[in-house]
Amino acid sequence: DTGVSQNPRHKITKRGQNVTFRCDPISEHNRLYWYRQTLGQGPEFLTYFQNEAQLEKSRLLSDRFSAERPKGSFSTLEIQRTEQGDSAMYLCASSWHNSPLHFGNGTRLTVT
Amino acid sequence: AQKITQTQPGMFVQEKEAVTLDCTYDTSDQSYGLFWYKQPSSGEMIFLIYQGSYDEQNATEGRYSLNFQKARKSANLVISASQLGDSAMYFCAMREGLEGAQKLVFGQGTRLTINP
Repeated sequence: DTGVSQNPRHKITKRGQNVTFRCDPISEHNRLYWYRQTLGQGPEFLTYFQNEAQLEKSRLLSDRFSAERPKGSFSTLEIQRTEQGDSAMYLCASSWHNSPLHFGNGTRLTVT
Repeated sequence: AQKITQTQPGMFVQEKEAVTLDCTYDTSDQSYGLFWYKQPSSGEMIFLIYQGSYDEQNATEGRYSLNFQKARKSANLVISASQLGDSAMYFCAMREGLEGAQKLVFGQGTRLTINP
């Protein structure tokens, strides 16, 4: 169990640029989640995959956000035309079915 | 809609003392799960303990126990014999339903500081 790995740890970008984050879940986990955490708040659910299928998306996930999990392994989260309001910590988590979520260290995005 | 309330923004405790972190929840669902996570400064959310709404016994995991009072809709975390390494943010979270996606709703957290 090597844990959930997220890259990069930090990303600074200018408003209007596109960014992509990667998450490598625990290898035997079939479910993968993306959450977003803004300063001083708890994480908020964004989206969820079971294997390669994206089964649910939050209303928080605007059209500028897209997530994929090809082949049911790693996942990417892309934000197009970033806005300052996108600045947050993006957390990935994985689980085997209903077991408690294992989170990664997150990617901190700063949009200037 | 489900909601988690953590009323203690910060707690300061002497090492080796026990500490209780408060959590109240609101849901209209009969089936739900309650979680506590620890978030050190590194950013990772670490799972501590889980209580299902139908579990009759309070959950315990080592030094952590969950004081589940269903009628009062509270799920307080008790840490016994606190250690310096317990200093972190602590989040209470809930999921509605016991199957399917774990769309957790988190509270705003409590920052716990353990003093030597």
